[in-house]
Amino acid sequence: AQTVTQSQPEMSVQEAETVTLSCTYDTSESDYYLFWYKQPPSRQMILVIRQEAYKQQNATENRFSVNFQKAAKSFSLKISDSQLGDAAMYFCAYRSANNAGNMLTFGGGTRLMVKP
Amino acid sequence: GAGVSQSPSNKVTEKGKDVELRCDPISGHTALYWYRQSLGQGLEFLIYFQGNSAPDKSGLPSDRFSAERTGGSVSTLTIQRTQQEDSAVYLCASSLLTGLPSGADTQYFGPGTRLTVL
Repeated sequence: AQTVTQSQPEMSVQEAETVTLSCTYDTSESDYYLFWYKQPPSRQMILVIRQEAYKQQNATENRFSVNFQKAAKSFSLKISDSQLGDAAMYFCAYRSANNAGNMLTFGGGTRLMVKP
Repeated sequence: GAGVSQSPSNKVTEKGKDVELRCDPISGHTALYWYRQSLGQGLEFLIYFQGNSAPDKSGLPSDRFSAERTGGSVSTLTIQRTQQEDSAVYLCASSLLTGLPSGADTQYFGPGTRLTVL
């Protein structure tokens, strides 16, 4: 079974600064997908960014980018130019590329606080 | 169009009572998922529906939990004889499943139902 670990329960960043959230995972599969979801106080999970394991290039979405290290099984999220609206819980998630494994496996989350 | 909706938003019940939680997926989405989020923790998979196929129930924690999906759309998660440890936020998600490898499919989440068992 796959596991996802987020070692930082809480992180804090100054507005306009850059912050990196860590995520590691354990799997025996070679093909899979990794995600970062944001959960604001409204509870609704919002997809931030997605990475296909077979792609070497790191995914980027505006101010959000990932550092995907497949050999190290590491998938960190970098938020540049942090904004107050970025404050939320962030969850890293894994999904198998095997059609029988459709569910997401989540890490325990990191609470990000943004200081004005 | 509208996103995934869930009702009720909050539910308070007494230990031993049955509860039903409802999920309306995005129109046209063939896949539907239920997850549970206990206080301060990540999401835990419960059950997955895909079209007319038999659901994947591998995440249900006990036989007190069941779910159905009628007409390939709305889903109801039922918890019988609720216990205090059932208190959590129950999140529903749906995805399109276009024929791409399923892992490529983005899951869209609803706002969840916060269940409190007294």
